[in-house]
Amino acid sequence: EVVMTQSPATLSVSPGERVTLSCRASQTIRRNLAWYQQKPGQAPRLLIYSASTRATGIPARFSGSGSGTEFTLTISSLQSEDFAVYHCQQYNNWPPYTFGQGTKLEIK
Amino acid sequence: EVQLVESGGGLVQPGRSLRLSCAASGFRFEDYAMHWVRQVPGKGLEWVSGMSYNSGSIGYADSVKGRFTISRDNAQKFFFLQMESLRAEDSAMYYCVKDSSSRWGGELDSWGQGTLVTVSS
Repeated sequence: EVVMTQSPATLSVSPGERVTLSCRASQTIRRNLAWYQQKPGQAPRLLIYSASTRATGIPARFSGSGSGTEFTLTISSLQSEDFAVYHCQQYNNWPPYTFGQGTKLEIK
Repeated sequence: EVQLVESGGGLVQPGRSLRLSCAASGFRFEDYAMHWVRQVPGKGLEWVSGMSYNSGSIGYADSVKGRFTISRDNAQKFFFLQMESLRAEDSAMYYCVKDSSSRWGGELDSWGQGTLVTVSS
């Protein structure tokens, strides 16, 4: 099973700041990585797939990068609606699909 | 617009059974793999089970293997999770999720709103 590790667990940032979230896989997953955003009381929403491709309707301030075992999600200028939990997930080796534990972005 | 609507959750005693359903619309259901993903409130996401478009490939998390059974009805556009021998640790929000691929190995591009399962005496 591929173990996904996200860091940090919580990030306190101010609106307008640039932020980078990290996700590491325990073995290579090529570029088969997705990022999801989850707001309180809502289901997750796909943000990024294939490590760097934005899903339909996702603003350009969200970008993903990485391959192999190291991945990042960058939000170039945080908006109020971006404060949420972000999950990474690998779909290279399955079953099972595996998720990171999540990174919570909170307002500083 | 893709819509996934779960139903069937509720309060159930340990050891009992429950069947979750997911009604799909807005896409060619028969062309895509589907999954169930669960989440304990305040915790991370856990993949539970997945099935290819034609039911030919099925997988389960070790935590539910032998107790949960996944199925689909492509004609009626429904997706199911039969849960047996439920335990307290199965308590979670259960999401019905669409894969971008027909067989597996794609990102999870659409999620239902979830149905809450609580296992307690």
